[in-house]
Amino acid sequence: GAVVSQHPSRVICKSGTSVKIECRSLDFQATTMFWYRQFPKKSLMLMATSNEGSKATYEQGVEKDKFLINHASLTLSTLTVTSAHPEDSSFYICSARAGMDTEAFFGQGTRLTVV
Amino acid sequence: AQSVTQLGSHVSVSEGALVLLRCNYSSSVPPYLFWYVQYPNQGLQLLLKYTSAATLVKGINGFEAEFKKSETSFHLTKPSAHMSDAAEYFCAVRVNTGGFKTIFGAGTRLFVKA
Repeated sequence: GAVVSQHPSRVICKSGTSVKIECRSLDFQATTMFWYRQFPKKSLMLMATSNEGSKATYEQGVEKDKFLINHASLTLSTLTVTSAHPEDSSFYICSARAGMDTEAFFGQGTRLTVV
Repeated sequence: AQSVTQLGSHVSVSEGALVLLRCNYSSSVPPYLFWYVQYPNQGLQLLLKYTSAATLVKGINGFEAEFKKSETSFHLTKPSAHMSDAAEYFCAVRVNTGGFKTIFGAGTRLFVKA
């Protein structure tokens, strides 16, 4: 299958700082990318959907000013956690798909720890 | 609204035994259903998917799932468990709410005993 790469795989940051997570589709052009958050031993919660060149659509309850999503190219989407706090510590996973009716492929996830 | 429910947050089987992970869906339209596996600190890998073709779907690693409309189920099975099958398994449904999205069940952790 296609490859989606997330970077970094792990990050530790201080409370109050911002951290950026990258999601890249390595061998296909991703018109749509999704960002999920996974709490320990829990399922994946969809945070937002981003289409290349347009603003992200956030799920209910997700703070768009807190979790900034940019999908500036067909191979890259970024999630920036602004003014991070310990409660933002989580596993963040992106997925990407080429078209409306195509399979979505998942990145390997990013473990964020805010201290 | 379309959703999936996974019955049992934990399932434990012996090596070589049958694996059965349960998933029921709720949908007013023919659903697209998926099973994913997640190993610790990793992303998700697609095991198999149902897209309204054959009701018995074969996936990777010896897994298969059967779509049963009458029972609104899409249970995942494997005849003989391996130690390497120990992981978290997620059932998921694709929904169309202003664009296609994948919604996940709560997950079932599979333990395999030697």
